[in-house]
This record gives sequence, structure tokens and C-alpha cells, in this order.
Amino acid sequence: NAGVTQTPKFQVLKTGQSMTLQCAQDMNHEYMSWYRQDPGMGLRLIHYSVGAGITDQGEVPNGYNVSRSTTEDFPLRLLSAAPSQTSVYFCASSPQGRGYGYTFGSGTRLTVV
Amino acid sequence: AQKITQTQPGMFVQEKEAVTLDCTYDTSDQSYGLFWYKQPSSGEMIFLIYQGSYDEQNATEGRYSLNFQKARKSANLVISASQLGDSAMYFCAMREGHPGGGADGLTFGKGTHLIIQP
Repeated sequence: NAGVTQTPKFQVLKTGQSMTLQCAQDMNHEYMSWYRQDPGMGLRLIHYSVGAGITDQGEVPNGYNVSRSTTEDFPLRLLSAAPSQTSVYFCASSPQGRGYGYTFGSGTRLTVV
Repeated sequence: AQKITQTQPGMFVQEKEAVTLDCTYDTSDQSYGLFWYKQPSSGEMIFLIYQGSYDEQNATEGRYSLNFQKARKSANLVISASQLGDSAMYFCAMREGHPGGGADGLTFGKGTHLIIQP
């Protein structure tokens, strides 16, 4: 049982490039979300999804795009990378219902130069 | 205003002592959940414990317990008999709203860096 799988683990981008961070879960969880972690800031919610075809913005959505065509996958797209998007990105999933915490992937460390 | 406040940026504790990590929260929802996560230096996020807003009893998971004081909007994590492997960042987080109601995601505090000394 793989849980939540994020790829790649590390990535260096040039300013203006686009890329997609992949996230897949094999637990049949309805809820998925993306977070970024910056030093001293904790984790902040970028986008979330409560089911296939349903997504919404979190606290810091600017510069990011998401879609959820299947229950398993929730990719995060950086449209035009900026140095301010240098961060560690976490994907997480959760079953629907109270009392369930999110299971996190191992993270993607992104550097934009 | 911050929704989750962790007032201890760093703590040093002697091995085998109990430690309390503070967390206060702010929400107008009646139904919410409170979580604690551990992040060791390797970077992964490890779920420790959950407390629901309607739960009468304080949550416990092994050496972890959550001291939930609803009226004070406080959800402190207590680690009994600390071990060297407990050294890590600890994050308090909140999940608001009714699952299935459309909104979701966790709001995190800034974390407490706990160092256990031998």
C-alpha cells in the first residue's frame, strides 16, 4: 500500500518555466489537498479537492492551477514559475468524514532560479 | 488574525521528562477537528493525534495526549516520558466545517521545534 506518492522529489526550474507536480493516492480517499511549506511559516493550503471534478482555492492559490479528473490523482501546475514559489510542496489525502486526518506525501522540494 | 497559534518556537527538554506543546485556535464553526503532526528532520509529516470538537474525552494515543479545553480554545499536546526520537518540529492544525459541505483542508500553526536532550 503506497499511500500518497509525490513526484518528483526535487526539481530546479528557471523563472518563467512551467511544470506539474504529480500526486497520486491509492487509498480511495475523497479529499485531497496541496500545501507549501516555507521556513518559519508552517504549511499553507494552496488548493483542495473534495472529489473528482471538484476543486477550490485555499489560502495561497495565486500562480497555481489544479484539476481532479480521477479520485486517485491531483496534479499541481505551476503556470510561470517565480522565485517566490521556491518551497517544499506537500500533497495530502483524507477520507470523507469527521475524525480523519490527512495522510501526507513525502514532499517535493522546488527551487526556482 | 491567526487561526492557529503556537507560542513556543523552540523547546529544550530533558529525556524522560513530560513535555507540553501549546496550541490555541480560533474558529466560529461548531464542528471542527484539531490535529497534531510531527515533522522529523527527514521532512515527512506524521499524524499523531486527533480531537473532535464534540468529543467529551481528551484524545490519547500511546505516549501522546491532547489536553482539550474548548472554552479556552486550547488544544495542547502532551508527550509523556520523552525520548530522543521525539526531537522534531510539531505542528498543530485545524480542520473546519462539515465534511461533505464543500470546504476542506487544514490550517496549520507555525510549529514548535522540540529538542530532547540526553
